[in-house]
Amino acid sequence: GEDVEQSLFLSVREGDSSVINCTYTDSSSTYLYWYKQEPGAGLQLLTYIFSNMDMKQDQRLTVLLNKKDKHLSLRIADTQTGDSAIYFCAESMGNFGNEKLTFGTGTRLTIIP
Amino acid sequence: DVKVTQSSRYLVKRTGEKVFLECVQDMDHENMFWYRQDPGLGLRLIYFSYDVKMKEKGDIPEGYSVSREKKERFSLILESASTNQTSMYLCASMRKTVNEQFFGPGTRLTVL
Repeated sequence: GEDVEQSLFLSVREGDSSVINCTYTDSSSTYLYWYKQEPGAGLQLLTYIFSNMDMKQDQRLTVLLNKKDKHLSLRIADTQTGDSAIYFCAESMGNFGNEKLTFGTGTRLTIIP
Repeated sequence: DVKVTQSSRYLVKRTGEKVFLECVQDMDHENMFWYRQDPGLGLRLIYFSYDVKMKEKGDIPEGYSVSREKKERFSLILESASTNQTSMYLCASMRKTVNEQFFGPGTRLTVL
């Protein structure tokens, strides 16, 4: 079955880069996602990467995908207090248009002033 | 803006009660999902629906049922609530062929 794993906690100093890691087990994943959950809110899509890509950059966010090791990472450059949140990686399976997502446990990012 | 709303932010029920959690989306999305979120376990899929009157079991359907009578509304039902169903419940919707699920704010359910 599919399994997505993340570290539960990460603390980073303001202005440094944050790197959140994720490993997954299903090699047939089509897309891999990063979602952000701010306190008291639902999840919001940050970015996603197609499984045949190695890297995707979007402003302060860089996603790296290592298919061989089934490892996904999210790098946040110049981390700010507003980046404090829980970050979930997720993989999608199933037929295009009818995917369901399998989420990781979430990584709580704390910013140290 | 896509909006997914859930009927309550906080709910307290007693063991054995029947509980309805409602979710409404306003963007004509075909797919809708119910998850529960627990610390250290992430989000786990309970049920999902690809169309009106269609439903599929997710990873943890036991103790739950769902109803989708209208496209915009997806209801989660706890037939007889138990304390181990105390959790945060999140609803999401998605348009077919678009790779983004939109989430509601969640309902924190406490079963005493």
